[in-house]
Amino acid sequence: DADVTQTPRNRITKTGKRIMLECSQTKGHDRMYWYRQDPGLGLRLIYYSFDVKDINKGEISDGYSVSRQAQAKFSLSLESAIPNQTALYFCATSGGTAPEAFFGQGTRLTVV
Amino acid sequence: GNSVTQMEGPVTLSEEAFLTINCTYTATGYPSLFWYVQYPGEGLQLLLKATKADDKGSNKGFEATYRKETTSFHLEKGSVQVSDSAVYFCALRSDNYGQNFVFGPGTRLSVLP
Repeated sequence: DADVTQTPRNRITKTGKRIMLECSQTKGHDRMYWYRQDPGLGLRLIYYSFDVKDINKGEISDGYSVSRQAQAKFSLSLESAIPNQTALYFCATSGGTAPEAFFGQGTRLTVV
Repeated sequence: GNSVTQMEGPVTLSEEAFLTINCTYTATGYPSLFWYVQYPGEGLQLLLKATKADDKGSNKGFEATYRKETTSFHLEKGSVQVSDSAVYFCALRSDNYGQNFVFGPGTRLSVLP
């Protein structure tokens, strides 16, 4: 089983709909992140959380919200989806002695 | 703020050719540096890392050396294979409070048989 699991893997939704992307991890890491990937722009940070009570905005948080339900769970919500939120979304974790981030498989979101 | 610059490509090579993907960074302090690889339809996987100046990260025939004097972390492989076709991301993690990751735009590599 994957250490960082994202659901759903693919989603098509209509403009104006609310949608939630979920992320769970089995690595025991305190830190969790949501990134958005667009062609040619790399990964941009949406929100990050250093523990259950700590939520921080990233560089592109407008139009998004998050919830850290437990150490292992970090969900991303689009309150009213718009077409320019069509992208590939990644959840990641970090912690322990390793400096690197560990990524989920991604969620491909299309807003029509 | 911290930033990462890398050649955007796409890069197209023949099998067994030599690969270099340039990466330079801007950061205060002593960041950790990473190369991640993304195969089609998959998430990012760590390829190699270096946490201090002059460290060399290596994995699967790929290498990169942390050069603080030139703020660079160029990725190299002596002989690429078709299976190396992927998108490669250079990234850093700052050592100051927050310690967030910053990624370059990615370089798409296509290796032809």
